[in-house]
Amino acid sequence: EADIYQTPRYLVIGTGKKITLECSQTMGHDKMYWYQQDPGMELHLIHYSYGVNSTEKGDLSSESTVSRIRTEHFPLTLESARPSHTSQYLCASSPLTGDSNQPQHFGDGTRLSIL
Amino acid sequence: AQTVTQSQPEMSVQEAETVTLSCTYDTSENNYYLFWYKQPPSRQMILVIRQEAYKQQNATENRFSVNFQKAAKSFSLKISDSQLGDTAMYFCALMNRDDKIIFGKGTRLHILP
Repeated sequence: EADIYQTPRYLVIGTGKKITLECSQTMGHDKMYWYQQDPGMELHLIHYSYGVNSTEKGDLSSESTVSRIRTEHFPLTLESARPSHTSQYLCASSPLTGDSNQPQHFGDGTRLSIL
Repeated sequence: AQTVTQSQPEMSVQEAETVTLSCTYDTSENNYYLFWYKQPPSRQMILVIRQEAYKQQNATENRFSVNFQKAAKSFSLKISDSQLGDTAMYFCALMNRDDKIIFGKGTRLHILP
């Protein structure tokens, strides 16, 4: 069962719209991540956070932005969606401990299609 | 640069057979962690098994086991007595002390009835 929730699960929307993908976790994890994954392909890290007010860009450049005002919440925003943003977006979290051997817990993902 | 390579884009095996998924990686770190994640079709990504690089003993979780060859930088996943529910995309992943995970491109595994 998932303790990390992403909404919406699917979104089909027109070009130019502002979109916010929600991600919440109830595990009290400090670290949260956003990945972009095209169908059948690998995951690319686009944003991560080590805690409240911490946000960093990942390895793949993205036009999206994130915020971390609360520990449990890590929304991703696209100010003006384009067809090139069509992809699956996966949110993940893990605890911040001295032991880095903590796997990431993933949400179900949001499949985004920009028309 | 850290890399994770999965050389088998797709595999198919009969139910109850044993299958091995390959993974090689490259890192300059001495302490790191390796994971296999499973992503069933349209479902959540879940952790299958993990291995600490400083442990020589291969990790085992029920029907899943790994063959960790640190010198060769190889981390293969063996699934014994495969089941239909094992059908999924499998990702090999590497995590260093910076806690960022690098994923391979994945292997799509089909278990055939």
